Amino acid sequence: GENVEQHPSTLSVQEGDSAVIKCTYSDSASNYFPWYKQELGKRPQLIIDIRSNVGEKKDQRIAVTLNKTAKHFSLHITETQPEDSAVYFCAFRVSGTYKYIFGTGTRLKVLA
Amino acid sequence: NAGVMQNPRHLVRRRGQEARLRCSPMKGHSHVYWYRQLPEEGLKFMVYLQKENIIDESGMPKERFSAEFPKEGPSILRIQQVVRGDSAAYFCASSPGTGSDTQYFGPGTRLTVL
Repeated sequence: GENVEQHPSTLSVQEGDSAVIKCTYSDSASNYFPWYKQELGKRPQLIIDIRSNVGEKKDQRIAVTLNKTAKHFSLHITETQPEDSAVYFCAFRVSGTYKYIFGTGTRLKVLA
Repeated sequence: NAGVMQNPRHLVRRRGQEARLRCSPMKGHSHVYWYRQLPEEGLKFMVYLQKENIIDESGMPKERFSAEFPKEGPSILRIQQVVRGDSAAYFCASSPGTGSDTQYFGPGTRLTVL
């Protein structure tokens, strides 16, 4: 079926450390993988995305890596700051459709 | 350029009433998606629409729920005869359409069924 497993469900790091969140997806033909950040009571906001023709994409302190063979993709946040504290969701687009499947979320806490 | 708009932001209904949630996509966007989010959970796909067409409603319950995106005006998610289990945050997202995968989310409507 269409699903994505996201780990860990919660993550606490010290300010300045790195955080890594991993997702494993089911659709081997999927070609689009976005990551969203959602602060409490707010809308999900796209922070980075990757397409299957690349293995890594970086935007300042945020990077995403994709391993199509293993059907894994990961979010990497370096030099974490307290304002990075939020829930992060991975997602993928089901191949041949415009339907998106979201992970269950990772609650990141950056401790000052 | 205004972002995706949703209203109302909060909606309280008693069991058996109808709930109507509205979504105005970003200017120039012709694709609309609706998602449901329960507390402490992820976003569950409900339906994907283009102007005047439902493209994929595989995530929407077959009874009591319906969605439309008319030629003029906002997209509407309608829940008839609401039950307590319908209490959730409902988010819509829009995208430009063919050639673009990126979705932009609205602020959500928080539905509470008493």
